Amino acid sequence: EIVMTQSPATLSVSPGERATLSCRASQSVSSNLAWYQQKSGQTPRLLIYDVSTRATGIPARFSGSGSGTEFTLTISSLQSDDFAVYYCQQYNNWPLTFGGGTKVEIK
Amino acid sequence: EGQLVDSGGGFVQPGGSLRLSCAASGFTFNTYVMTWVRQAPGKGLEWVSAISGGGDSTYYADSVRGRFTISRDNSKNTLSLQMNSLRADDTAIYYCATSGGVALRGWFDPWGQGTLVTVSS
Repeated sequence: EIVMTQSPATLSVSPGERATLSCRASQSVSSNLAWYQQKSGQTPRLLIYDVSTRATGIPARFSGSGSGTEFTLTISSLQSDDFAVYYCQQYNNWPLTFGGGTKVEIK
Repeated sequence: EGQLVDSGGGFVQPGGSLRLSCAASGFTFNTYVMTWVRQAPGKGLEWVSAISGGGDSTYYADSVRGRFTISRDNSKNTLSLQMNSLRADDTAIYYCATSGGVALRGWFDPWGQGTLVTVSS
């Protein structure tokens, strides 16, 4: 099983600042990586797939990068609507696995 | 745009059974891999099971293999998850989701609203 490790667990950021979230895979997942946003009490929402392709309707302030085992989600200028938990997910191998999540909170 | 509606959750005793359903609309259901993902209270996301568009291939997490069975009825655009021998650690919100991409493995979009399963004595 590929273990996905996200860091940090919690990120405190002021509105307007840049947020950088990390996701590391225990072995290469090639470019088969997605990111999701989940607000409290809501269903997860796909943000990015194939490392860097934004899903339909996702603002350009969200961007993804990386390859192999190291990946990054960047939110260029945090807005109040962006405070949430973010998960990475690999779909290179069965079983499909998620990271433990990074909570982005208001500083 | 595709829409998924989950149902069937509830309260069940350990060792009991429950069947979840997911009604799909707005897309060509039989061409998509469908999947179940769960989230225990206050915890992260865990992939549970997936099924190919034609229903001939199924995949399970080790934690549920042998107890859960995924199936689909393409004539009714419905996905199901039969859960047997339920345990307390199966307590979670269960989401159905459509798998994106061209391979059997992919990202998840869209998601159903989720249905809560509580296993307790």
